[in-house]
Parts: sequence; structure tokens; C-alpha cells
Amino acid sequence: EAQVTQNPRYLITVTGKKLTVTCSQNMNHEYMSWYRQDPGLGLRQIYYSMNVEVTDKGDVPEGYKVSRKEKRNFPLILESPSPNQTSLYFCASSGGTGVDQPQHFGDGTRLSIL
Amino acid sequence: QKEVEQNSGPLSVPEGAIASLNCTYSDRGSQSFFWYRQYSGKSPELIMFIYSNGDKEDGRFTAQLNKASQYVSLLIRDSQPSDSATYLCAVTTGGGKLIFGQGTELSVKP
Repeated sequence: EAQVTQNPRYLITVTGKKLTVTCSQNMNHEYMSWYRQDPGLGLRQIYYSMNVEVTDKGDVPEGYKVSRKEKRNFPLILESPSPNQTSLYFCASSGGTGVDQPQHFGDGTRLSIL
Repeated sequence: QKEVEQNSGPLSVPEGAIASLNCTYSDRGSQSFFWYRQYSGKSPELIMFIYSNGDKEDGRFTAQLNKASQYVSLLIRDSQPSDSATYLCAVTTGGGKLIFGQGTELSVKP
């Protein structure tokens, strides 16, 4: 089954404790992206990657890191999480020419930073 | 001005009516336009995408794009209670960025 898999689905942690949210897709898509969703603000793009070893900042990259060492994986790293990063996070991928194609979303990761 | 702006909700329509959802965008260079539906607690799912000026129809859904007016809309004909969800407009900008509107909540009353 074609899918984007995120882990964990839920995480409660404390300020300053490094965490990684994994994202994997099995569709051989070149484009992958991370979004956060907050009430009243819609989805905001954090980082995106148009291919292996190519990553770029979205609209809200501060406090986040990403890497794209292989096509299928695109982890999101919070090196020193803070309470303002409490949010619902989505990973997505798309094929073809990338962002001009529809995004396939993962099920989401709900992060709470205390 | 927000880069992608949707009409504020919630929008309430009776079952069987036409629901009209609107979206304006600021980047004249935008090339690709998407409508996603998101049920509460779920991930967004694609409804329609449109690249060229004019109308694109898929079943009960019609997307309309007017690049001169920087306007994209989604019409839902014969609205059903199962259409009740938040609808997200998304627009590509330069490079690989995708910008979403804040969403419009639609409620279809039986």
C-alpha cells in the first residue's frame, strides 16, 4: 500500500530534550516536506526537499533541522524543543516534478513540549 | 496581506445545496493550485488540483481558477453531511514552497 509513515504519532516531552520525528514513504517520491498545523494558522511549511541531499527552508524553519540522506526518509529533528513547538506535524511527499504534484500526507504527529 | 487567504468560516449549507469555497493568493507567479479536505483529527486529503485558467470538474466538485484575478474556488454540488470538514486551499510559490490558506470549515446540515 502506498503510504507516508510518521513516527511517533504522539509524544509528550520536556523543554530541551532532543527529539526526532521520522518520516518514510514507499512511493519513490523525490519531493518531501514537513508542515506544522496550529489552530487558526492552517498548515505552515517547515522544510522541504526536492531530492536526496537537497533541503530548503519553508516559512517556519527556526528551531528545526532535517536531513535527506536517502530518498525514502526525511526525519524532522528538534535539537532543543521549546513549548512554542507544541503542534500537530505532518510529513508529505509527492512524485513527478515535485511540489506541482498533489501531496500525500502522513497521519500526523502530535507533539507536546512541556 | 496573507499569501493565501480563504473566506472565513464556518460555512453552513443545507443538504443538497451548492457550497462555494473561495481562495485568493498574492504571488502572480503561482502555477499550481490544490484543494484538500481535512476531517477533524485526520490528515489532509486531496480533492482537486488545477493548473490552467477555467473550470475543472470531478464528480460533484468543480475547481475554478482565474489567474488574472488571483482567485481559485471550489464548488461542491449536492452537498452531503459527509462533506462536512475543513477545506484547505494550497498554492505553489517559487521553488519548492507550498503555501496553505487557513482553511474554511464547512458544515452541511441534513
